[in-house]
Amino acid sequence: GQQVMQIPQYQHVQEGEDFTTYCNSSTTLSNIQWYKQRPGGHPVFLIQLVKSGEVKKQKRLTFQFGEAKKNSSLHITATQTTDVGTYFCAGKGTGGYQKVTFGTGTKLQVIP
Amino acid sequence: DAGVIQSPRHEVTEMGQEVTLRCKPISGHDYLFWYRQTMMRGLELLIYFNNNVPIDDSGMPEDRFSAKMPNASFSTLKIQPSEPRDSAVYFCASSSSSGSSYNEQFFGPGTRLTVL
Repeated sequence: GQQVMQIPQYQHVQEGEDFTTYCNSSTTLSNIQWYKQRPGGHPVFLIQLVKSGEVKKQKRLTFQFGEAKKNSSLHITATQTTDVGTYFCAGKGTGGYQKVTFGTGTKLQVIP
Repeated sequence: DAGVIQSPRHEVTEMGQEVTLRCKPISGHDYLFWYRQTMMRGLELLIYFNNNVPIDDSGMPEDRFSAKMPNASFSTLKIQPSEPRDSAVYFCASSSSSGSSYNEQFFGPGTRLTVL
């Protein structure tokens, strides 16, 4: 079945440093979503990428979808303590509706 | 809208007991998902429904797990009998196939299950 891996598993950064998490799928995706889960909370939708090579920005967050639609990345510029949490990508395969496979997640810790 | 509602928020039970988790999706959403989250296995999709019909239950661990959706506003996930390895946070999520093209999933607050 489809597998979605993320690296790194954990990341500690000093406040103000940049952060990047990478997402890789074993199969070609129709789209990819990103979610953020705060400690003790639930996943919250951030964004969806659909097109090959697509880049989207949300303030300090930059999301990219690979040309082959098998990988994606999330980059945070100048991290803040409010960025703490686990970031998940979720890939939707080319068949079957609405079912997405969540990645393994990257847990971000920001040191003030 | 109140968002996805789950109950109970916390459940502590003894091995062998029956556990029932409940979920009320967002009104108008036609998809409902049950996930399990653990440190070891991450976020796993157990089952999902479309218009109250189970579409894919391949993630259900074994016969001890069952899920129902008797109507558009209510779903249950039952574990009988429960085992310590079932301890996890169980999330319910819902989404809509109409309107926004994002089809994003809205998660409930989760039920933290501890089986002693």
